[in-house]
Amino acid sequence: DIQMTQSPSTLSASVGDRVTITCRASQSISSWLAWYQQKPGKAPKLLIYKASSLESGVPSRFSGSGSGTEFTLTISSLQPDDFATYYCQQYNSFWTFGQGTKVEIK
Amino acid sequence: QITLKESGPTLVKPTQTLTLTCTFSGFSLSTSGVGVGWIRQPPGKALEWLALIYWNDDKRYSPSLKSRLTITKDTSKNQVVLTMTNMDPVDTATYYCAHRPLMGSSTFDYWGQGTLVTVSS
Repeated sequence: DIQMTQSPSTLSASVGDRVTITCRASQSISSWLAWYQQKPGKAPKLLIYKASSLESGVPSRFSGSGSGTEFTLTISSLQPDDFATYYCQQYNSFWTFGQGTKVEIK
Repeated sequence: QITLKESGPTLVKPTQTLTLTCTFSGFSLSTSGVGVGWIRQPPGKALEWLALIYWNDDKRYSPSLKSRLTITKDTSKNQVVLTMTNMDPVDTATYYCAHRPLMGSSTFDYWGQGTLVTVSS
């Protein structure tokens, strides 16, 4: 099984901050990585797929990068609507999610 | 517009079998490449993929839960059904179904609202 490890688990930031979340795969997954945003009581929302492709309708302040085993999600300027939990997901072999990163208000 | 909605019992007893139905619209599960998956999330915890069925009836299961899961589809009704046997309190979670497209992301792009299932005697 491919394991996904996110860091940090919690991130405290202010509106306007640049935020970076890291995701590491236990083995190479090429670029088969997605990022989701989840708010309390809601279903996850797809933000990024194939490591760096922005899903339609997602603001351009979200970006993804990486390949192989190391990936990052960057929010260029944190907005009030962005306080949420973020999950990475590999889909190279079945589907596995990371443990999540909660972005909270500093 | 793609929508999915999960339905099923909110409470099951330990050892019972859970049956959940995903009813969808806006796409056909007879379209080449399309799939519908199930994902769950225990309260306060991370997401866990369970199973996926493709348009051609090919099925994939989480290796850790494979012995307990069965996924089927009824294309005429636009439904996908997940059964999970021998339920345990640790299976208490919100269960989501999601659409997996052929093109674009090739991963879960549309999700249902989720249904909370509690396992308790």
